[in-house]
Formats: sequence, structure tokens, C-alpha cells
Amino acid sequence: DAGVIQSPRHEVTEMGQEVTLRCKPISGHNSLFWYRQTMMRGLELLIYFNNNVPIDDSGMPEDRFSAKMPNASFSTLKIQPSEPRDSAVYFCASSPLAGGRNEQFFGPGTRLTVL
Amino acid sequence: KNQVEQSPQSLIILEGKNCTLQCNYTVSPFSNLRWYKQDTGRGPVSLTIMTFSENTKSNGRYTATLDADTKQSSLHITASQLSDSASYICVVSEGAGGSARQLTFGSGTQLTVLP
Repeated sequence: DAGVIQSPRHEVTEMGQEVTLRCKPISGHNSLFWYRQTMMRGLELLIYFNNNVPIDDSGMPEDRFSAKMPNASFSTLKIQPSEPRDSAVYFCASSPLAGGRNEQFFGPGTRLTVL
Repeated sequence: KNQVEQSPQSLIILEGKNCTLQCNYTVSPFSNLRWYKQDTGRGPVSLTIMTFSENTKSNGRYTATLDADTKQSSLHITASQLSDSASYICVVSEGAGGSARQLTFGSGTQLTVLP
């Protein structure tokens, strides 16, 4: 298995532009997680899905952030409009079982820079 | 509020030496504790996971210990190698429930192994 796949690996955009990050979880995994990592705040859970259904989006910072999972093999995280403070590395992770007690497998991340 | 604190924040050692990283937590009730290794520019990779009843677990040159009474864990690295240079993140899961929101991440220890 190729593991969790994220694209793009790097994204540089200007303030106000829409940004879409993509994730393909490991086949057969039922849970998918979106994280943001910065030097100041470390890893933060933004939202997670179980069986394609959003379960908890309380970590999504603002209405500018939205996430979808239209099927078991694809998820997107969208920021519209983007702001410089959104600059961070965004990780997608998947887990074979639901819940927070099971091991999560992380993708390589997307480094987002908003100018 | 659940917290996970790691020390030291950064550590520099010479190749071949041993080192120990610390993790103290206040998460309650406790479910499990994981140590992740995160190479620069990559996603975290799980090293060990321990439940309440386990007080030591090894993965090659990595040995994690857990004292659930004092709410402390350590990660010991034996005979360090240059490839051990990475950030090591301690993650504690809150018990009983199945929510991924119940994960609390430490801020990590940045280990540098010099030749």
C-alpha cells in the first residue's frame, strides 16, 4: 500500500485566494483526520470523519475552513479566502478503526504558504 | 484541561550515545500513550503504543516506559544513529470514549544526532 497520499506537497498562494488540499486515505481505513502543524501550536486536530461522515469539526478555526469526504477514498480541505496566518503544514491521517484510541497513519503533509 | 508536556524541548547528542526523552501528562481518564517520530518534512510515524497495563514496550533501539500512577512516560534511544535525528511527539488518548477529539499532543522534543 502506498500509504496516505496528499497533494499538493507544497502550495504558495496569495492572501484572499482559495486553497484546496487533497487526501487519499489508506484503502480500507474507515476514519480520516485533518491536522494542522505550526511551530507555535504543534499538531492540532481540525476535523475527522468516520465512514465518510464528519464527526467533529470543532477544531476548524473559522468558517473560512471547510472539509468534505465525498467517498471512502478521497477528502478535501478548503480554505476560502486564505490568510497569511493559515500558513502551516496540513496533515491528513487515516485509521482502520473509528475513534481516537487507534493508531493513525499520517500522510507526508502539504506545506501551505500564504503571502 | 488535559495537557501533555515533553522535555527537553531540544537535545543534541553524539552518534552512538543513549538518550532519554520525557513525557508528563494530566489526561484523565487514561486510555493509551503513543510515541511518534517525525522526520523533517514528513508526517509522524508511530513508534510505540502503550495501554494502562503496560509499563514498557520496545521497538528496536527504542524503548518506551509508562508509569500510569505518576502519569509519566519516557522514550529511551539506545546507540543513537544519525537517522534518529527527528522530532519525537508524545500523544495521550483519553479513556473510555471513542472520540478522536480525546487525543492530546505534546509539543515534541527535537533530537539532533551529530557524527
